Amino acid sequence: DGGITQSPKYLFRKEGQNVTLSCEQNLNHDAMYWYRQDPGQGLRLIYYSQIVNDFQKGDIAEGYSVSREKKESFPLTVTSAQKNPTAFYLCASSSFAGGKDTQYFGPGTRLTVL
Amino acid sequence: SQQGEEDPQALSIQEGENATMNCSYKTSINNLQWYRQNSGRGLVHLILIRSNEREKHSGRLRVTLDTSKKSSSLLITASRAADTASYFCATEASGGYNKLIFGAGTRLAVHP
Repeated sequence: DGGITQSPKYLFRKEGQNVTLSCEQNLNHDAMYWYRQDPGQGLRLIYYSQIVNDFQKGDIAEGYSVSREKKESFPLTVTSAQKNPTAFYLCASSSFAGGKDTQYFGPGTRLTVL
Repeated sequence: SQQGEEDPQALSIQEGENATMNCSYKTSINNLQWYRQNSGRGLVHLILIRSNEREKHSGRLRVTLDTSKKSSSLLITASRAADTASYFCATEASGGYNKLIFGAGTRLAVHP
């Protein structure tokens, strides 16, 4: 069953804590992305990776970090430096990087800061 | 600023009616994509239309692209309650890495 998975579905964080969101894909895609979605808003790009061991900042990278040690995995860490982290986080992947290809999305992780 | 902006922000119709959503963008594009999002879920790709295409169909979906007006429309014919979702257009920005930029979406409610 091919696809892209995210865990956990819901995550609660205390202020000052770092948390890591998991994203795994078995589609053999080179490119992976992290987006943030706020209520009633579109998606904003946090980080993207075109290939293993490489990643680039998106439009709102401050307070976030990523790694891409394996092709299948692209975890996102929300650090304490992110001032307003409560949001819905979506991971996506595509065969190759850029906007020329369809992006496949995971089910999302809803992060709430207590 | 967002590249794509959908109009209307919200649309409420009865089952069987057609639903039309519009997307306007600001700069030249290589392609435009439409995605659907059910409440609290991830996005699902619907259609990709390239800048040299004017119209594309997929089942009950019809997408048009007018590059001279920098706009696109998504038409859902004979809507069903299951079509209730948010619909987003996404454009491929130019310059360096060609990433997708999403609009804020149109929230469609189809009533039985």
